[in-house]
Amino acid sequence: EPEVTQTPSHQVTQMGQEVILRCVPISNHLYFYWYRQILGQKVEFLVSFYNNEISEKSEIFDDQFSVERPDGSNFTLKIRSTKLEDSAMYFCASTRQLGESGEQYFGPGTRLTVT
Amino acid sequence: AQSVAQPEDQVNVAEGNPLTVKCTYSVSGNPYLFWYVQYPNRGLQFLLKYITGDNLVKGSYGFEAEFNKSQTSFHLKKPSALVSDSALYFCAVRVTSGGSYIPTFGRGTSLIVHP
Repeated sequence: EPEVTQTPSHQVTQMGQEVILRCVPISNHLYFYWYRQILGQKVEFLVSFYNNEISEKSEIFDDQFSVERPDGSNFTLKIRSTKLEDSAMYFCASTRQLGESGEQYFGPGTRLTVT
Repeated sequence: AQSVAQPEDQVNVAEGNPLTVKCTYSVSGNPYLFWYVQYPNRGLQFLLKYITGDNLVKGSYGFEAEFNKSQTSFHLKKPSALVSDSALYFCAVRVTSGGSYIPTFGRGTSLIVHP
């Protein structure tokens, strides 16, 4: 069964550094998402992406964040200058279509630790 | 605004006993409701969804959920728990129309099934 993959599984970075989290969505999916989960808290939506542009974004997704689909397979989340409060699990997800079914396929997550 | 509440951080049940993981929601309009499961070091995995029709929805691994509109609930159930059901369970909701396609997730409930 096809899966969403994410790399790295764990990233440790110093405050103020840039990080890039990588995701490979399922190959025939068209809609891509990033979520984060701070330890013990809700899974929070960050951004959705379709047709090479952002479809929706949350208040969390400020100017420090950006997303890109640099080629036909990868989908990246960049944090330009990390803060301590960016420490969380970051999940990538994809769906084939946006309609009624709407179930998302998630990757295993990247644990980001900002020190 | 839409929201999901999972009132229990953890549910403990003995193997072979029935299990219930609770979820209540708030949404303007009719909801689409989802349950996802997360096993250790894996991404969220779709279990089942309620779109319309029969209030009792059956999903993967013997799980089912009952949509109760008057109580705005969508509790996840299984008649006989297995140790392998031990995982983190997430409920999610989105509106059917007129709003964002992005689901809102609950905080998750850790299910522990004891041998």
